Amino acid sequence: GQQLNQSPQSMFIQEGEDVSMNCTSSSIFNTWLWYKQEPGEGPVLLIALYKAGELTSNGRLTAQFGITRKDSFLNISASIPSDVGIYFCAGEYNQGGKLIFGQGTELSVKP
Amino acid sequence: EPEVTQTPSHQVTQMGQEVILRCVPISNHLYFYWYRQILGQKVEFLVSFYNNEISEKSEIFDDQFSVERPDGSNFTLKIRSTKLEDSAMYFCASTPGAGIYYEQYFGPGTRLTVT
Repeated sequence: GQQLNQSPQSMFIQEGEDVSMNCTSSSIFNTWLWYKQEPGEGPVLLIALYKAGELTSNGRLTAQFGITRKDSFLNISASIPSDVGIYFCAGEYNQGGKLIFGQGTELSVKP
Repeated sequence: EPEVTQTPSHQVTQMGQEVILRCVPISNHLYFYWYRQILGQKVEFLVSFYNNEISEKSEIFDDQFSVERPDGSNFTLKIRSTKLEDSAMYFCASTPGAGIYYEQYFGPGTRLTVT
């Protein structure tokens, strides 16, 4: 089945630093999504990417849909304590179809 | 801003009992989903629902599971005879399903504990 490899598994950074995480797949996806999850909550959509090569920003967050359609990255610039949480990538092959999730990147930010 | 809502937030049940988890997807969304997340693990797809029928289901979604949209607003997941390994967070999601915009919005989840 389709699998997503997300790295790193965890990151411990200082407030103000930039963060980068990525997902790779052996299969092609037509949509890449990035979510943030805080303890006891549901995943919250951060960025959706629909076209290969697309680069999209949402405030301090920037994500790209890889040109091969098999990878995506998420960057967070100038991190702040409220960025703490688990970030998941998710790929969708068919419109309206299931999401395949990565294993998550747990971000900790030291003030 | 419209949200997916789920009830209850926490359900404790004994092994072998039936549970029904409830969701109200975002109004005018067309596709509905259930996912689960075992503690500390990634989110896993269970089932998708479109046009009043299941469009896709995973291996996890066996005969013990069923979904229903009993009216124009609710979307339910039933587990007929719960097992210990069904303990997890269950998330409902919905998507507009229009144009190219198929991003899925998740509810806050129901924590199911089977004892």
